[in-house]
Amino acid sequence: GQNIDQPTEMTATEGAIVQINCTYQTSGFNGLFWYQQHAGEAPTFLSYNVLDGLEEKGRFSSFLSRSKGYSYLLLKELQMKDSASYLCAAFSGGYQKVTFGTGTKLQVIP
Amino acid sequence: GAGVSQSPSNKVTEKGKDVELRCDPISGHTALYWYRQSLGQGLEFLIYFQGNSAPDKSGLPSDRFSAERTGGSVSTLTIQRTQQEDSAVYLCASSSTAGGTEAFFGQGTRLTVV
Repeated sequence: GQNIDQPTEMTATEGAIVQINCTYQTSGFNGLFWYQQHAGEAPTFLSYNVLDGLEEKGRFSSFLSRSKGYSYLLLKELQMKDSASYLCAAFSGGYQKVTFGTGTKLQVIP
Repeated sequence: GAGVSQSPSNKVTEKGKDVELRCDPISGHTALYWYRQSLGQGLEFLIYFQGNSAPDKSGLPSDRFSAERTGGSVSTLTIQRTQQEDSAVYLCASSSTAGGTEAFFGQGTRLTVV
């Protein structure tokens, strides 16, 4: 089966760091995506982790632990424009399918 | 095309009518997904097509919902006898084959049932 859990909402302050966690239980797991979705827009790709460890892309970093079924997205130097929903998604190679979590709505406050 | 195209972008329909939503995936993408997103909510999986395999229909909420994918390309999501609770944004996404490549989303169809 496929199950992905992430917090529903988070609030953080402009300039701060926030970590959005995601746990997954996925048959035939291959990798973990993170997407960003601004209100009223389609989700857009942020990162894809296959191997354990931290991958950094500018202000955004994504971490994966395959043994723990755990990932997080780290956002540094938060900006108001980072207010969005962040979707965690697991790719199952066996099923060739991406399963999305319901998303974490992040609100950045001044 | 350059991206995933969905039509119409907006649809208002009367309760009880049937509607068809169309998705043109990126050329060459074999995987196609339909999701539903109610206002302020997360993505709700509806159906998944992968190449010539039988579709994964496990997310369809009722038998009023059905989807087809003709020729491995264009997909149509049909909702029969629409209800007010069907009002949502319907998102389509496509991706290429193995390797966990990213899914690209269309802009969605906003369906309002009145």
